[in-house]
Amino acid sequence: AQSVTQPDIHITVSEGASLELRCNYSYGATPYLFWYVQSPGQGLQLLLKYFSGDTLVQGIKGFEAEFKRSQSSFNLRKPSVHWSDAAEYFCASPTGTASKLTFGTGTRLQVTL
Amino acid sequence: DVKVTQSSRYLVKRTGEKVFLECVQDMDHENMFWYRQDPGLGLRLIYFSYDVKMKEKGDIPEGYSVSREKKERFSLILESASTNQTSMYLCASRPGLAHEQFFGPGTRLTVL
Repeated sequence: AQSVTQPDIHITVSEGASLELRCNYSYGATPYLFWYVQSPGQGLQLLLKYFSGDTLVQGIKGFEAEFKRSQSSFNLRKPSVHWSDAAEYFCASPTGTASKLTFGTGTRLQVTL
Repeated sequence: DVKVTQSSRYLVKRTGEKVFLECVQDMDHENMFWYRQDPGLGLRLIYFSYDVKMKEKGDIPEGYSVSREKKERFSLILESASTNQTSMYLCASRPGLAHEQFFGPGTRLTVL
């Protein structure tokens, strides 16, 4: 079955440090891939998406992600984290004929000052 | 901007009550979705609808039903609420051929 995996449940970084959140997918063909962010008590906001073409995609809030077919990965990065980036991050991909989204279990990011 | 609204941010109900969660989107999207979110489990799809009066079961439909009488509104119904339905419920919508979904702010439901 198609799946999306986020290996890290919880990550803590210092403000100003770089960030990388991992996402692995299991598909045969090139998948569509998304990263969403959820601030405490809020809904999900789309950070960025990959459909095809350039494997490095830019998103909002200074985030970027790189699609690597050889590693079946779509990791999210930010060069310098701000305290306001503390949130939960979800990787997702459509599955099935109705394009339902399958989500990873999420990575909670804590930012220390 | 696409706006997806949910009728309540917080809701407290008693076991056995019938509960309605309402979701409205203002962008004429064909597809609408209901998820529940629990710690460590991510988001799980309960039901979705690809047109008015059409619905499809998601991964965890047991104990839930849905209604879509108008294109902009998608309701989730808990016929007889139970404590294991205490959760965060998220509604989303998606235009016809796209894959990106737009989410509402969520309803945190507590069943006592």
